[in-house]
Amino acid sequence: AQSVTQLDSHVSVSEGTPVLLRCNYSSSYSPSLFWYVQHPNKGLQLLLKYTSAATLVKGINGFEAEFKKSETSFHLTKPSAHMSDAAEYFCVVSDGSSNTGKLIFGQGTTLQVKP
Amino acid sequence: SAVISQKPSRDICQRGTSLTIQCQVDSQVTMMFWYRQQPGQSLTLIATANQGSEATYESGFVIDKFPISRPNLTFSTLTVSNMSPEDSSIYLCSARPGLAGVRSGHEQFFGPGTRLTVL
Repeated sequence: AQSVTQLDSHVSVSEGTPVLLRCNYSSSYSPSLFWYVQHPNKGLQLLLKYTSAATLVKGINGFEAEFKKSETSFHLTKPSAHMSDAAEYFCVVSDGSSNTGKLIFGQGTTLQVKP
Repeated sequence: SAVISQKPSRDICQRGTSLTIQCQVDSQVTMMFWYRQQPGQSLTLIATANQGSEATYESGFVIDKFPISRPNLTFSTLTVSNMSPEDSSIYLCSARPGLAGVRSGHEQFFGPGTRLTVL
C-alpha cells in the first residue's frame, strides 16, 4: 500500500533563507508524487508533480523537488523564502494500486517565514 | 487544468440537520472526489464520484451519512446528513482533468472548500 510521511510538522525559516520540507514515501508501484500548498482559508494549489519523467521537478513560485528512489524521498526546496510562502504544505502520492488513482496525503508541514 | 467552485463557502448548522454542498467544474471530467479536512488535520478521502455510477466510499464513510450525486460530467453534490459537532470540518471537492479515464499519474484540482460548523 502507498503511504507518505512528512518528517516535520512545523518548519520555521527567515525570509531570504532556503526552505527544505521533507517527505518520504512508500509505494509498491512506480509512484506519482505531488506537492500541494494551502494558504489560510484557501483551497489547495498544485505546486509541482513527479510522474516518472525527470527526477528534478520544477514547480511554481520557485519551488522544486527531487525524486530519489534509493532514498524513497521527494523533498521540497526553495532557494530563498518569501513571506508569502507561509502556508501549509502537503506531500501526496497517487495510489497506483487502486483503479481510481486516488491521492494519499501526508500530514502536512506548516511553513513559517519570519521577517 | 480545471477550475472548480463550491457552494456554500461556509455554513453554520444545527445538530441533526443536513447540508448539501455543490461542486461545479468548468470542464467535463470523468472523476470527481470529495475530501474532509478536520481542524488542523490533513485531507481524508470520503468517496470517489464517477458520472453514471454509484459513488465509491472509503473505509469509515457510508452512503447514509454522506450521500453523493453525480448527475453529469461537470457537477456533483455531497450531503452531510444528521449532523453532529464532530462533522465540523472543511469539505473539499476535486476533479481529475479530462475524460480519458483512470490514469494514476494525473493530478487533481481542488475547489476552495466549504467550511462547516455544527453547533
